[in-house]
Amino acid sequence: SQTIHQWPATLVQPVGSPLSLECTVEGTSNPNLYWYRQAAGRGLQLLFYSVGIGQISSEVPQNLSASRPQDRQFILSSKKLLLSDSGFYLCAFSLGETQYFGPGTRLLVL
Amino acid sequence: SQKIEQNSEALNIQEGKTATLTCNYTNYSPAYLQWYRQDPGRGPVFLLLIRENEKEKRKERLKVTFDTTLKQSLFHITASQPADSATYLCALDHTTSGTYKYIFGTGTRLKVLA
Repeated sequence: SQTIHQWPATLVQPVGSPLSLECTVEGTSNPNLYWYRQAAGRGLQLLFYSVGIGQISSEVPQNLSASRPQDRQFILSSKKLLLSDSGFYLCAFSLGETQYFGPGTRLLVL
Repeated sequence: SQKIEQNSEALNIQEGKTATLTCNYTNYSPAYLQWYRQDPGRGPVFLLLIRENEKEKRKERLKVTFDTTLKQSLFHITASQPADSATYLCALDHTTSGTYKYIFGTGTRLKVLA
């Protein structure tokens, strides 16, 4: 069966510091991968998606970037965090029409 | 632009009753719609998918309806239990260029009282 991992679970970072969140998927090959952000009281906002290694599509202009160095690895990065980057970050993969989410990373930028 | 709305107010119901959650959308005609459950601090978990040509879908105590004329989906939990307390998200198909993508609602928080 397929599983998806994210780490770290929680992160507190100062404004202006870099960020790297990692997501890995097991049990499937060539999945579509997604990064979402969920702010308090708001819906899931799609940030990036990837249909293959090195292929990244950005949904909204922002302070973040994504990379897919391996088939089942998806990384979310920032060179300098802003206060507005705080939120709950979720990685997901899709099997056909259904998405499967990771446990999420709670990021607090101070 | 596409807009998807779910009751932002929390829904409190008594154990054993049927909970009904609403998802409305505008400016869009999705091929299918999904419902997810999200517990605090966790990622959403897929529950049900219903296609535009299906009126109703059931899974155990869950039932989803899809009215493409009203642009509305209803999500029902029958014989509700305290363990059903969670936030429920609806998501619309937004597939583009063959890549599966989705638009999510903000979710409705359900609390089932014992």
